[in-house]
Amino acid sequence: AQSVTQLDSHVSVSEGTPVLLRCNYSSSYSPSLFWYVQHPNKGLQLLLKYTSAATLVKGINGFEAEFKKSETSFHLTKPSAHMSDAAEYFCVVSPLGGSASKIIFGSGTRLSIRP
Amino acid sequence: NAGVTQTPKFRVLKTGQSMTLLCAQDMNHEYMYWYRQDPGMGLRLIHYSVGEGTTAKGEVPDGYNVSRLKKQNFLLGLESAAPSQTSVYFCASSYKIQGNTEAFFGQGTRLTVV
Repeated sequence: AQSVTQLDSHVSVSEGTPVLLRCNYSSSYSPSLFWYVQHPNKGLQLLLKYTSAATLVKGINGFEAEFKKSETSFHLTKPSAHMSDAAEYFCVVSPLGGSASKIIFGSGTRLSIRP
Repeated sequence: NAGVTQTPKFRVLKTGQSMTLLCAQDMNHEYMYWYRQDPGMGLRLIHYSVGEGTTAKGEVPDGYNVSRLKKQNFLLGLESAAPSQTSVYFCASSYKIQGNTEAFFGQGTRLTVV
């Protein structure tokens, strides 16, 4: 069985400070892990993905995430927040090479940026 | 490149009415998906298709039907709308099965059933 937990429903940071969005997963087989971003009234856009290669994954717009098997985590980070980062972020887990019906979305984390 | 296009973007239905949501992709993707997004619940898979002429049930298929008569189009139907189907619906497509490849999403359809 698979599950994904986004530990914070809302995160607020000041512009220029680091961003940390937390994601823990559970999977009985080797997972693929993704982070998607959704800006207001838009569809989801892929930020980055982990598919069993390097454990530190770099994505678009300065975001990166580290796959930690021992901690079953895939936290999303960015060194310096920008106003344009304000959006909803989704952590997604699926079995590597597996079926679309087994893909699980987290409940989302809303990121707010204070000027 | 248009990517994934959903029609319509907004709709209000009365309970019991029917409607069809259209999803079109121009990337020649084999796989297409319909999700619904509800507050605090992420996205849940309704139905998906692994190729023209095929469909399969996802996590929450009840009350919905789908068809994939052409590779580029994936239709989601509500035969008798219920207030519980008020949601934002997203279509997505991918080149391979979504498990280890990127999915491309449409901009969503906001449906309200009154």
